[in-house]
This record gives sequence, structure tokens and C-alpha cells, in this order.
Amino acid sequence: RKEVEQDPGPFNVPEGATVAFNCTYSNSASQSFFWYRQDCRKEPKLLMSVYSSGNEDGRFTAQLNRASQYISLLIRDSKLSDSATYLCVVTGGTTDSWGKLQFGAGTQVVVTP
Amino acid sequence: ETGVTQTPRHLVMGMTNKKSLKCEQHLGHNAMYWYKQSAKKPLELMFVYSLEERVENNSVPSRFSPECPNSSHLFLHLHTLQPEDSALYLCASSQVGLTTEAFFGQGTRLTVV
Repeated sequence: RKEVEQDPGPFNVPEGATVAFNCTYSNSASQSFFWYRQDCRKEPKLLMSVYSSGNEDGRFTAQLNRASQYISLLIRDSKLSDSATYLCVVTGGTTDSWGKLQFGAGTQVVVTP
Repeated sequence: ETGVTQTPRHLVMGMTNKKSLKCEQHLGHNAMYWYKQSAKKPLELMFVYSLEERVENNSVPSRFSPECPNSSHLFLHLHTLQPEDSALYLCASSQVGLTTEAFFGQGTRLTVV
């Protein structure tokens, strides 16, 4: 079983609509969670950290569900520029206490006019 | 300006050549990573250095040889590569032990001919 799993998509979203997707992780002792965005042929860049209480950054909302071991990302009022691959990143855990990054394979989002 | 700098940005090499990729981070981080990303594939972790010691080597062929002379610099030495090694090679750094995110360099796009 992969340590971090994501639905690869693509999620085809009309401009202005809302899209949400999850990422599951296998290590219950994981400590830190992030969403990264990767544009085609570019490096991943941090979109937002994910906190236990959930957090919002503009049109983006991230949630963490420790009981079910998943994090989610919701994008409201989608823009064409939101088209990208969204990577879930998990760090920490009993066997990875030194903080190794675990990347999901990414979820592709395509926002259409 | 990125805190993680990779050079060169693009590299074309023959199968008999020897070349090196360089990564430098200016963030005071203590862990550095090499990732490979082939076309339309997820990130593959190659090597991890934590506190200048290699802590992970994910079954990478010996034609790839990493070097971490200090906490700010990371190299990937390449020799007798194959065409299937053509990919985007990404360097990242993070501060292990804290809930901080990783930062990526812009990558080296390698083509083996």
C-alpha cells in the first residue's frame, strides 16, 4: 500500500465552480501535512499547510481528518489559473521521525471556460 | 528569488558523458533531497541527506551518484546514463524535526541522447 494516495483525476471543473479532493495517508503517526501545486514542467510549490483545525487561504480550504487519515483540499470559485496538479505531502511518523517527505502522485485539476 | 538554486537548468548529454547537477540552498535547512520526475509521472524520491548523511537511497542505479559536502550543497553525479534517464531532476530542502515545508529548486531538465 502506498504511504500517500491521491485520485489522479483529471477533475474537469467549469470556471467558477467548486472542486474538492482528498488524499489518504497510511502512517497514523504522521505529523505535518501540506498541499503543493505543480504546474506543467515546473517545480512543486507550497500552496498551503494543513492544520488540525482546518485552515483557509482565500478560495482554498484545507482540512485534516486524523481519525480517517486523510486531508482534503477545496477550491471555490475556480479560476483558469487553478489548472495544475495538486500534490499531497505528509511528513513525520514513528519510523520517519526525522521528517522525511512523503509525496502523493498528485491530482490533476483542469478548469475549463 | 528561490531559496534553492539548481544548475544547470537544462542539460543534454550523450550516454558516454559524465556530468554533475548542482543544488544549493540558502535557507539554513538540514535535509536535502533529489527527486526524478519523468514525463507525466509522479515524483520519485532518489536520495535523501539529513545532516549531511545519506539516509535514503531508493534503489537508484549506480550510474547516479549523490554527494553532499555540506548542508548547503548537494550534487548528483551522472555517468553512462541511458535515454530513459531523461527527466526533470528536482532538488528540495527542508528542516527536519520541525513542521516546516520543503522548498524546491527549479529543476534540471536532462535529456540523454
